[in-house]
Amino acid sequence: DSGVTQTPKHLITATGQRVTLRCSPRSGDLSVYWYQQSLDQGLQFLIQYYNGEERAKGNILERFSAQQFPDLHSELNLSSLELGDSALYFCASSGGQGSDYEQYFGPGTRLTVT
Amino acid sequence: GENVEQHPSTLSVQEGDSAVIKCTYSDSASNYFPWYKQELGKRPQLIIDIRSNVGEKKDQRIAVTLNKTAKHFSLHITETQPEDSAVYFCAADPYIYNNNDMRFGAGTRLTVKP
Repeated sequence: DSGVTQTPKHLITATGQRVTLRCSPRSGDLSVYWYQQSLDQGLQFLIQYYNGEERAKGNILERFSAQQFPDLHSELNLSSLELGDSALYFCASSGGQGSDYEQYFGPGTRLTVT
Repeated sequence: GENVEQHPSTLSVQEGDSAVIKCTYSDSASNYFPWYKQELGKRPQLIIDIRSNVGEKKDQRIAVTLNKTAKHFSLHITETQPEDSAVYFCAADPYIYNNNDMRFGAGTRLTVKP
């Protein structure tokens, strides 16, 4: 167990809908990252937040947005969903105890768009 | 931005043999190179990492080498065991304090045959 939690574990929704994925980082970690992993694909970096502020942006679509709240949990909002958005979405955190570098991954949220 | 290429995409070895996975990166500012292991349906887990001021690092049966001039780094697993079977991802990150922009390779599916 990495200490990073994500909810829900699974999500099934229809095209055109909007969903929110939630992530709670490890205790003490200030950075949260979001990744997308499509079937049999690698990990695509979406976005990073540090202590409530956006720090780095990767291949995140305009239909997607994220935020980090004062209690450091983060939410990833996906709107106008398309079939191609079906994927495993991972959250990771870092910056607390131990190395600043190492990212600890949560168990992921599997999103299925039908 | 950073571009990480990883080879091979699949690798099959006999138990007890060695396995080598190679990655190249494009951004000379990258200074942190982790390797993650992902078992089927599970989260990526860090197995070893190396920083740009080090050329080689070893942890029991796994080792990583880094050639900054050539911009490539490799993972070496010796005395492979069936439980080493998984997908391995390399990554490169131009890490600045609490500001990551980690990019992953496409992954290598390693199969260790008993």
